[in-house]
Amino acid sequence: GAVVSQHPSRVICKSGTSVKIECRSLDFQATTMFWYRQFPKQSLMLMATSNEGSKATYEQGVEKDKFLINHASLTLSTLTVTSAHPEDSSFYICSALGEQYGYTFGSGTRLTVV
Amino acid sequence: TQLLEQSPQFLSIQEGENLTVYCNSSSVFSSLQWYRQEPGEGPVLLVTVVTGGEVKKLKRLTFQFGDARKDSSLHITAAQPGDTGLYLCAGVAGTASKLTFGTGTRLQVTL
Repeated sequence: GAVVSQHPSRVICKSGTSVKIECRSLDFQATTMFWYRQFPKQSLMLMATSNEGSKATYEQGVEKDKFLINHASLTLSTLTVTSAHPEDSSFYICSALGEQYGYTFGSGTRLTVV
Repeated sequence: TQLLEQSPQFLSIQEGENLTVYCNSSSVFSSLQWYRQEPGEGPVLLVTVVTGGEVKKLKRLTFQFGDARKDSSLHITAAQPGDTGLYLCAGVAGTASKLTFGTGTRLQVTL
């Protein structure tokens, strides 16, 4: 089946620094990838939709200058949290949409900003 | 915004009991999916339903898509501790590709 690799699985960073999270589709091409954020005891909230070779589409209320998304190839999308603050601490999950496999989710990244 | 409301939010039952989780919306979805998520992991797909009125069974799990494609339910028969987790419905509306998740139902099954 389809596999989406997300790295790192956990990261702790200092307030004010930037963190990059990678999302790779390992055995299929994904023209569209999605980034979600999940706070404790809550559901997944869509942050943005990323299409290969074009600018990401952000959901209302998500700051595009803070959450930079790059989808440079059909198998890789990255999310960079810039100038991170403690309130950005959360569980970030990516999903890749493949023609054959539908939506496949990464295993998530636990970000802690101290 | 397509809002998917799940009920109940939290359910604690004993092994062997039956339960139903509901997923309701005022929007029409072209397809609806159910996922289960364990702590610290990504959600895992259980089923996709696309036709109004469709019923799908997966061992002890029965999924139903409403006739109007606005709601869905998940019924678990004879729950086991291994069923413990966060259950999420998620829908795709129209021709858009983005998947919107429901509010979630946290299930705990004890011995």
